[in-house]
Amino acid sequence: NAGVTQTPKFQVLKTGQSMTLQCAQDMNHNSMYWYRQDPGMGLRLIYYSASEGTTDKGEVPNGYNVSRLNKREFSLRLESAAPSQTSVYFCASSENTGSFYGYTFGSGTRLTVV
Amino acid sequence: AQSVTQPDIHITVSEGASLELRCNYSYGATPYLFWYVQSPGQGLQLLLKYFSGDTLVQGIKGFEAEFKRSQSSFNLRKPSVHWSDAAEYFCAVGPYNNNDMRFGAGTRLTVKP
Repeated sequence: NAGVTQTPKFQVLKTGQSMTLQCAQDMNHNSMYWYRQDPGMGLRLIYYSASEGTTDKGEVPNGYNVSRLNKREFSLRLESAAPSQTSVYFCASSENTGSFYGYTFGSGTRLTVV
Repeated sequence: AQSVTQPDIHITVSEGASLELRCNYSYGATPYLFWYVQSPGQGLQLLLKYFSGDTLVQGIKGFEAEFKRSQSSFNLRKPSVHWSDAAEYFCAVGPYNNNDMRFGAGTRLTVKP
């Protein structure tokens, strides 16, 4: 089925370790996003990519980097994980930015940093 | 400052009862408004959206929402709740800076048999 695929689904890291969260979409969408979800705070935008070759910071970018590898793939990297980065991470895509069409979300990555 | 407010953190309703989930927002112009549903362990699924025109919009799974500009609200309703509706519901508003959608903190719905 068409959609957004995220890997891994679960991950436990030690403080200071690094990792990359992978995201791929097969809907030919131009725009892709990384959100984190924390209890009582809804979803907050970390980074987004309006189109292939561009990336921009969102609301909470500190401690993260991203790469838009091609039109399909958008990865999120934690260079030195901290306990404050324990969260559920969602990748999403949309036809274009501006929220006109709503987003399609992946099923999430639950990350715990100990 | 929070741009989207969902006043109810948790709501419990009986199966077959009606449902209304509240959403209030702050936005300088006419916003684009969305409701998403998240089942346990899943990503968010779009229920419905409002851009312009008729202020009462219909969505999937029998949900509807009404945009009330004077009250800055976009409440979600369903006439008769089913056990499968138990989930977390998020209101979202955009665009901000031409690219961002802001989400409320969510309302968790429990359905009693």
